[in-house]
Amino acid sequence: SQQGEEDPQALSIQEGENATMNCSYKTSINNLQWYRQNSGRGLVHLILIRSNEREKHSGRLRVTLDTSKKSSSLLITASRAADTASYFCAMIKAAGNKLTFGGGTRVLVKP
Amino acid sequence: NAGVTQTPKFRVLKTGQSMTLLCAQDMNHEYMYWYRQDPGMGLRLIHYSVGEGTTAKGEVPDGYNVSRLKKQNFLLGLESAAPSQTSVYFCASSYVRGETQYFGPGTRLLVL
Repeated sequence: SQQGEEDPQALSIQEGENATMNCSYKTSINNLQWYRQNSGRGLVHLILIRSNEREKHSGRLRVTLDTSKKSSSLLITASRAADTASYFCAMIKAAGNKLTFGGGTRVLVKP
Repeated sequence: NAGVTQTPKFRVLKTGQSMTLLCAQDMNHEYMYWYRQDPGMGLRLIHYSVGEGTTAKGEVPDGYNVSRLKKQNFLLGLESAAPSQTSVYFCASSYVRGETQYFGPGTRLLVL
């Protein structure tokens, strides 16, 4: 089974609204990363948060990490149609070196 | 910088045929990876390399072989393609182990 599970699997919002997606994992991690994938394209790295960090920001993106609950969330504020994509969490296990991906959240931002 | 490039972009194979997918990166990264992505799923690691001349198995290595003869290139081979290998294949590279990975645009493979 996958190390990461994402919720919801799909999300539909209006432009200007916020989008929140969650990622839960099973074992201790070194860091957790979020990637975006536009339809038919490769993945693009968004944010990396380390196990000793609780929150990180990048532009309209905010990522939180709760290691006690083994979960992370990605918030996209003031969404735009261009944010329509699939978003994946991926994690490096503690003492590991391989990235393990969740199943992704498909986000549709309607203009 | 082209980043990570993959060739071909799309290929159709018949069962039993062989092919090689090429990944190239111009960022001088030590680490390179091959993933497959199936509908509705995240990426699964096939093989990876921690440097020129090295390769290692990932989560789903069966039916694939890899080679890293040059630092900038990572080849993925299918010796005898099967319909179960129909997928989208992504190559990625990273400078540091366990850190940000940079992905290529993908190769869509259909095995009939």
